[in-house]
Amino acid sequence: DAMVIQNPRYQVTQFGKPVTLSCSQTLNHNVMYWYQQKSSQAPKLLFHYYDKDFNNEADTPDNFQSRRPNTSFCFLDIRSPGLGDAAMYLCATSRGSGEQPQHFGDGTRLSIL
Amino acid sequence: AQTVTQSQPEMSVQEAETVTLSCTYDTSESDYYLFWYKQPPSRQMILVIRQEAYKQQNATENRFSVNFQKAAKSFSLKISDSQLGDAAMYFCALWGNNRLAFGKGNQVVVIP
Repeated sequence: DAMVIQNPRYQVTQFGKPVTLSCSQTLNHNVMYWYQQKSSQAPKLLFHYYDKDFNNEADTPDNFQSRRPNTSFCFLDIRSPGLGDAAMYLCATSRGSGEQPQHFGDGTRLSIL
Repeated sequence: AQTVTQSQPEMSVQEAETVTLSCTYDTSESDYYLFWYKQPPSRQMILVIRQEAYKQQNATENRFSVNFQKAAKSFSLKISDSQLGDAAMYFCALWGNNRLAFGKGNQVVVIP
């Protein structure tokens, strides 16, 4: 089945130790999004790629970066995770721009020790 | 700025009964889209229903329907014949001005 796959489901890292979360899609969608979702809160958009064009949200910390080497894959890099970065990270895709429904992965829950 | 407001953090409904989740929004865009997404515990978020703002007819998807009141900027979701599998967090979302804004969510509890 076509889908959005996030690996791993759970990630534990140490304070300050770089971590990378991955997302892949078999939907061949143009757009890939990364959201941060803290407990009992709405997802917060960090950035998105429209094809190769990177779009960063104004309030996304510099600590967060992303790479999209090809249509299928997108990575979220957290250079120096702090305790406040512990959250669920959601990857989503859409065909074309965002008025189209977004398809979400299962998420990666990140814990910081 | 676009805002989405969901004011009822938790709603309980008896199995087979109907529950309505409220959502109000604010946007200066004339062209926008509204969504309800469902996020079950520890599972992926999935689209429940989508409404184009330029359409007057309310969207329906099986047991899910919306009451879209454009002038009032209201977009409520009705779940009919509630089932145990409907238990989840429901997020109202607005797409406009090239960004998707989510509300804080409504937790729906289904009582057997």
